Amino acid sequence: DTEVTQTPKHLVMGMTNKKSLKCEQHMGHRAMYWYKQKAKKPPELMFVYSYEKLSINESVPSRFSPECPNSSLLNLHLHALQPEDSALYLCASSQGTLATNEKLFFGSGTQLSVL
Amino acid sequence: GNSVTQMEGPVTLSEEAFLTINCTYTATGYPSLFWYVQYPGEGLQLLLKATKADDKGSNKGFEATYRKETTSFHLEKGSVQVSDSAVYFCALSENDYKLSFGAGTTVTVRA
Repeated sequence: DTEVTQTPKHLVMGMTNKKSLKCEQHMGHRAMYWYKQKAKKPPELMFVYSYEKLSINESVPSRFSPECPNSSLLNLHLHALQPEDSALYLCASSQGTLATNEKLFFGSGTQLSVL
Repeated sequence: GNSVTQMEGPVTLSEEAFLTINCTYTATGYPSLFWYVQYPGEGLQLLLKATKADDKGSNKGFEATYRKETTSFHLEKGSVQVSDSAVYFCALSENDYKLSFGAGTTVTVRA
């Protein structure tokens, strides 16, 4: 199994809603990532978990709350989002660190629309 | 800091044409360099990578050579197919967990 699975594929939510994005991998990867991608732009790193601990938070607003319940799962909890948060949210994983030339495995993403 | 400058698109080609996408970088030290591809409706996939100067990465007919003297990592393919239509991102490793991506180049191949 060399996949990163994200659910749901599409999500529409109001600004007062609370929702969660889910990501799962069974490759035994120790690092998991959340990226945000606007249309026709490169992905922007949001969070990195390494060995289930938050390693990087790229100054993301607190309305985005990541969680890593175990080594295979990564969640992104959403609350009180703004319309400008509408984007494709990508999860990724890697066996080791990128500095040791490991590649990122990306999921297909959740297309989020905030109304 | 590190950065990647990528050829602006979009690029439109006919099938069997030669494709080049230019990528140059600014970095301290010796980062690894990558090309990722994103097909419509999908996440990114690693296309190829190079870890040190003069390394050549290759995959699916695509090639790129890590040129330290020109700080470049240009992507080339000799004969493109319709299925190569995608967005291509050049990237370098900033640190253990972060990549710097170029702006992306949209390539459309017409039959």
